[in-house]
Amino acid sequence: GDSVTQMEGPVTLSEEAFLTINCTYTATGYPSLFWYVQYPGEGLQLLLKATKADDKGSNKGFEATYRKETTSFHLEKGSVQVSDSAVYFCALSERAGGTSYGKLTFGQGTILTVHP
Amino acid sequence: EADIYQTPRYLVIGTGKKITLECSQTMGHDKMYWYQQDPGMELHLIHYSYGVNSTEKGDLSSESTVSRIRTEHFPLTLESARPSHTSQYLCASRLGDEQYFGPGTRLTVT
Repeated sequence: GDSVTQMEGPVTLSEEAFLTINCTYTATGYPSLFWYVQYPGEGLQLLLKATKADDKGSNKGFEATYRKETTSFHLEKGSVQVSDSAVYFCALSERAGGTSYGKLTFGQGTILTVHP
Repeated sequence: EADIYQTPRYLVIGTGKKITLECSQTMGHDKMYWYQQDPGMELHLIHYSYGVNSTEKGDLSSESTVSRIRTEHFPLTLESARPSHTSQYLCASRLGDEQYFGPGTRLTVT
């Protein structure tokens, strides 16, 4: 079945440091790929997405590129802020229909803490 | 900004109680989902619905049940809560390939 693997966490950085959170996936079809962010005490918010190979998703300074050849979707940000401290989830979704029912398959989450 | 609501946000109850977690959305989305988030943060699909009168169990076995009588409403019920049900429950709706999440209900069963 489908699966998503994220880099081990937690990740602790100083403000303005460069961020990379690795994500690789296994899927039988042609999934869409997502990064979600969860702030303390809240639900998940969609951060960015990519729907096909070589697409780059970007939002709020974060970006990730859909790499089919390496089955990866690594999240990057050039200069993190304290307000970026949160849990980040990589996820994939097969097209709804058939047996996939359009569910999201999540990675295990990576806690990011940014210090001033 | 997605309009999906969950109540209550926090709930502490004793073992054996019946509870219903509410989820509603005002976007008219047909597809809705319930995820359980364990203390280790992992998210698991426990129920989903394609539309009114459609409900299915997800990947993770759960003693909870759901109903979908109206498009905008997708409540989850536990007939007899146990400490093993302590978790965060997240509701979501879907349009296209994007899912929109509610703020979650953090349930503690003592």
